[in-house]
Amino acid sequence: NAGVTQTPKFRILKIGQSMTLQCTQDMNHNYMYWYRQDPGMGLKLIYYSVGAGITDKGEVPNGYNVSRSTTEDFPLRLELAAPSQTSVYFCASSSNKGTEAFFGQGTRLTVV
Amino acid sequence: DAKTTQPNSMESNEEEPVHLPCNHSTISGTDYIHWYRQLPSQGPEYVIHGLTSNVNNRMASLAIAEDRKSSTLILHRATLRDAAVYYCILRVSGTASKLTFGTGTRLQVTL
Repeated sequence: NAGVTQTPKFRILKIGQSMTLQCTQDMNHNYMYWYRQDPGMGLKLIYYSVGAGITDKGEVPNGYNVSRSTTEDFPLRLELAAPSQTSVYFCASSSNKGTEAFFGQGTRLTVV
Repeated sequence: DAKTTQPNSMESNEEEPVHLPCNHSTISGTDYIHWYRQLPSQGPEYVIHGLTSNVNNRMASLAIAEDRKSSTLILHRATLRDAAVYYCILRVSGTASKLTFGTGTRLQVTL
């Protein structure tokens, strides 16, 4: 069982570059989330989605965009990378019943 | 989202029980108490959740106070592999309510 898969695992970006962090899940979950985690801190919610075509902002959405064209995929887009976006990014999914959430292994992003 | 309060860190000896406390005095009747843990360099993983009654699974036990204003995650025999940050989170079941993470409790396990 693949669960939640994130790619890439590591990436270095230059200031002003853009990139897309990929997230896919094979559990047919409607709900998906993107979090970021800065060193020594808890996770902060960036965006979430309750189903294909529906997304909403979390605590820290500035500088990011998302889309949800399919149930499986929930990519996170950084348009103009800034050093403040250096962080570890986690994608997660859960079923309608809101019980257990499954997390990916994370993408470590450094902006220089 | 209702707030939870946890100690920043705790220590335990290997093979001894560990009791990780969580206060949630503003919990509402529809909030489930969830626990996740994050091992070093990994994403969070689900540990256990409950509403009112104590819960047991293969990983841990969850003891919930009668007034639900606090709960305790119990690891019956800590191992070095249990060293992680443990997060106590309130979540309304039946919805995809967001998991709001605090800073959690960092558990150190020593020989």
